[in-house]
Amino acid sequence: AQSVSQHNHHVILSEAASLELGCNYSYGGTVNLFWYVQYPGQHLQLLLKYFSGDPLVKGIKGFEAEFIKSKFSFNLRKPSVQWSDTAEYFCAVNPPAGTYKYIFGTGTRLKVLA
Amino acid sequence: AAGVIQSPRHLIKEKRETATLKCYPIPRHDTVYWYQQGPGQDPQFLISFYEKMQSDKGSIPDRFSAQQFSDYHSELNMSSLELGDSALYFCASSLRQDYNSPLHFGNGTRLTVT
Repeated sequence: AQSVSQHNHHVILSEAASLELGCNYSYGGTVNLFWYVQYPGQHLQLLLKYFSGDPLVKGIKGFEAEFIKSKFSFNLRKPSVQWSDTAEYFCAVNPPAGTYKYIFGTGTRLKVLA
Repeated sequence: AAGVIQSPRHLIKEKRETATLKCYPIPRHDTVYWYQQGPGQDPQFLISFYEKMQSDKGSIPDRFSAQQFSDYHSELNMSSLELGDSALYFCASSLRQDYNSPLHFGNGTRLTVT
């Protein structure tokens, strides 16, 4: 069965620290990959997406992610986090030729200390 | 830009009551998804509709039903509510012909069952 794994459930960083959140998926075919962010009490918002081309994709708010096909990974990075980045981050997979059922990881709760 | 609209934002029901959640997708989006997010958990896929037909089914209890109407809005009907149904219910929409289209989420309906 398809699944998405996010390795870190809770991450605490100080402002200006660098961030990397891991995401691995189990699906042998072509996939579309997404990172969503959920600020406290709010809905899921798209941070960035990958479907083809340059494996390094840039999203909003200074976030980027790198797709490494050989590792089935799509890690999220940000060079310097801000207090306002405190949120929960979800990696998601959508096999484009399969069902239209997006599969989410369990989420990583990031807390940035001012 | 118009977003996905969900109503109501908050709903409090008692055990064994029924509830109806509504979702209005982004204009011209033809696919609607329902997700349930329990406290501290990742979004769990419930069900999706494409062109008013059920497209995919996830972990939706038999006590729940949903449909998509001719104007593409969708309703999630929940009966015999249980305490464990307390969660945030998200609706998302997308345009199926755009295979790389990400999900656009609504603000969610927070259901509390007492």
